[in-house]
Amino acid sequence: SYELTQPPSVSVSPGQTARITCSADAFANQYAYWYQQKPGQAPVLVICKDTERPSGIPERFSGSSSGSTVTLTISGVQAEDEADYYCQSAASSGTPLFGGGTKLTVL
Amino acid sequence: EVQLVESGGGSVQPGGSLRLSCAASGFTFSNYWMSWVRQAPGKGLEWVATIKQDGNEKYYVDSVKGRFTISRDNAKNSLYLQMNSLRAEDTAVYYCARARWVQSKFYFDCWGQGTLVTVSS
Repeated sequence: SYELTQPPSVSVSPGQTARITCSADAFANQYAYWYQQKPGQAPVLVICKDTERPSGIPERFSGSSSGSTVTLTISGVQAEDEADYYCQSAASSGTPLFGGGTKLTVL
Repeated sequence: EVQLVESGGGSVQPGGSLRLSCAASGFTFSNYWMSWVRQAPGKGLEWVATIKQDGNEKYYVDSVKGRFTISRDNAKNSLYLQMNSLRAEDTAVYYCARARWVQSKFYFDCWGQGTLVTVSS
């Protein structure tokens, strides 16, 4: 079955760059989206259409896509960025599909 | 400001029913697809259902087909999820989310705070 695969965890020190990957059988002709979820809170859309940043999202958040992998990059990580991050695209049926999530720890 | 406020969660026995509601404000509700997304305790996000602006198209994840029904009342700016024949595996926080349609695929640009549904005997 079609899956979006994320690393369970990523750790970085404050000020460093965090990269969270999301791999699929194929992202061909499909955009990817990224959500940030802090403990006890609802998810927040931080990247849409692979690379676009919604209004209000800090510039340190960026997205990229290459072949079967999309990447969320957080430059100059801050303590407040510690959260779970989920990628989302679509299953082969066209219905929404989320990756398993990555816990970002700021050391 | 866009606001989505869920209600109706609670504890129910297996086989029981619940109806979730989502009150929308701050945008023209009737112009948007709307969805429910759930998150089991300690787990990731799972899309549940989506409904078109006029209510005439509905999509469901396979695990809830025949048991859950998504609906909306545009006059009341409200989204609903009728959940029947509930199972323990339906235990989750249920989020109401505004859905956007791009390249024949959905994503979710605004989310409510969620309502907890617990299915247990």
